[in-house]
Amino acid sequence: DAKTTQPNSMESNEEEPVHLPCNHSTISGTDYIHWYRQLPSQGPEYVIHGLTSNVNNRMASLAIAEDRKSSTLILHRATLRDAAVYYCILRDGDRDDKIIFGKGTRLHILP
Amino acid sequence: GAVVSQHPSRVICKSGTSVKIECRSLDFQATTMFWYRQFPKKSLMLMATSNEGSKATYEQGVEKDKFLINHASLTLSTLTVTSAHPEDSSFYICSARGRVTYNSPLHFGNGTRLTVT
Repeated sequence: DAKTTQPNSMESNEEEPVHLPCNHSTISGTDYIHWYRQLPSQGPEYVIHGLTSNVNNRMASLAIAEDRKSSTLILHRATLRDAAVYYCILRDGDRDDKIIFGKGTRLHILP
Repeated sequence: GAVVSQHPSRVICKSGTSVKIECRSLDFQATTMFWYRQFPKKSLMLMATSNEGSKATYEQGVEKDKFLINHASLTLSTLTVTSAHPEDSSFYICSARGRVTYNSPLHFGNGTRLTVT
């Protein structure tokens, strides 16, 4: 499985943008980049995914490097409710792949 | 959006008893369901994959006779922890995917916290 590398933890101030990085240097051409997050004592929730172009939705934006070896999840204005563990995951778009979670980044939001 | 319901959210049982956890897809047909377990401050660990109407595929190191998975319908999968012991205490989470492209997002239940005394 193609692997991802994320910082163990990050801090950000409330109401400021947050940029969560992810490295995936061994990404293949058919791998999509997915982001999920897990709030305390809950199951993970889908945030966003993309292949090559940058993506926006109501929760976040995903910026993908031109060589696709890294990506950044952007929360435009963090709130206390965004404190969670964020997982960056690669999924092959041509296969019925299970999702394997790495360690993720624990995001702390400071009031 | 798609909803996956997991029940119970919390259960306490005595050593030696069995516990059943249900995972339901409420507004879509789940052709594939995944079961994970998670220890405190750790990431999710995939236990098994189940497809409707067929036997579950277990990950290496997961005892299939200990963790019985049944996916008898397109909306329901169950995980039974048999003869539970304190080391089985964990947070169990299911996820489901419908009949769309392989790349579609997974929908997760809110987890079941199992405590074995």
